[in-house]
Amino acid sequence: NAGVMQNPRHLVRRRGQEARLRCSPMKGHSHVYWYRQLPEEGLKFMVYLQKENIIDESGMPKERFSAEFPKEGPSILRIQQVVRGDSAAYFCASSPSRGQGSPGANVLTFGAGSRLTVL
Amino acid sequence: KQEVTQIPAALSVPEGENLVLNCSFTDSAIYNLQWFRQDPGKGLTSLLLIQSSQREQTSGRLNASLDKSSGRSTLYIAASQPGDSATYLCAVRRAYSGGYQKVTFGTGTKLQVIP
Repeated sequence: NAGVMQNPRHLVRRRGQEARLRCSPMKGHSHVYWYRQLPEEGLKFMVYLQKENIIDESGMPKERFSAEFPKEGPSILRIQQVVRGDSAAYFCASSPSRGQGSPGANVLTFGAGSRLTVL
Repeated sequence: KQEVTQIPAALSVPEGENLVLNCSFTDSAIYNLQWFRQDPGKGLTSLLLIQSSQREQTSGRLNASLDKSSGRSTLYIAASQPGDSATYLCAVRRAYSGGYQKVTFGTGTKLQVIP
């Protein structure tokens, strides 16, 4: 089990370009969460998805940001027309559905993060 | 709305000391609580998970307790080592009908263990 895989690990974009961050959850996990961490700050919830559904996007900025978790393939966090303030580490976490497996299996597992730098 | 607070925000201790990190939450209807550590510039590593029906979990020098009714959890680190220096985060998960789960993170405690 490879764990939660995020790529790219590091991404550099110029202002106005698009950034796409990918997250492959752990095998068998159907819940994906995206968080943003600004330098020297805590984790801020962005969006929570299940396969083909956005469950909670209350933490997503209203413009330029979108997320998806298609039936096949990884979850994608997309940032259009990036600005310097988007520079941050973006973390993805996954977990199984409630009730799957043993209670100890409901661990929230994080990827290593994608660090976006906007020049 | 669930709010999760961690006290202290920062802590500096000499090597070998036992220490306690605190996490408090406002909504006691939780599904589980998980403690993480984050090293500078790195991702989050899971330390311990406590289900709502449990009172504590132990792993090595770490012991986490949960008191749901009072909305508190503590992470106890025995015989601290410089390698324990990191930011410690607690995360509270609440489950809703239909399988929806919401995870709220605390503000973190930045620990420095001085050799």
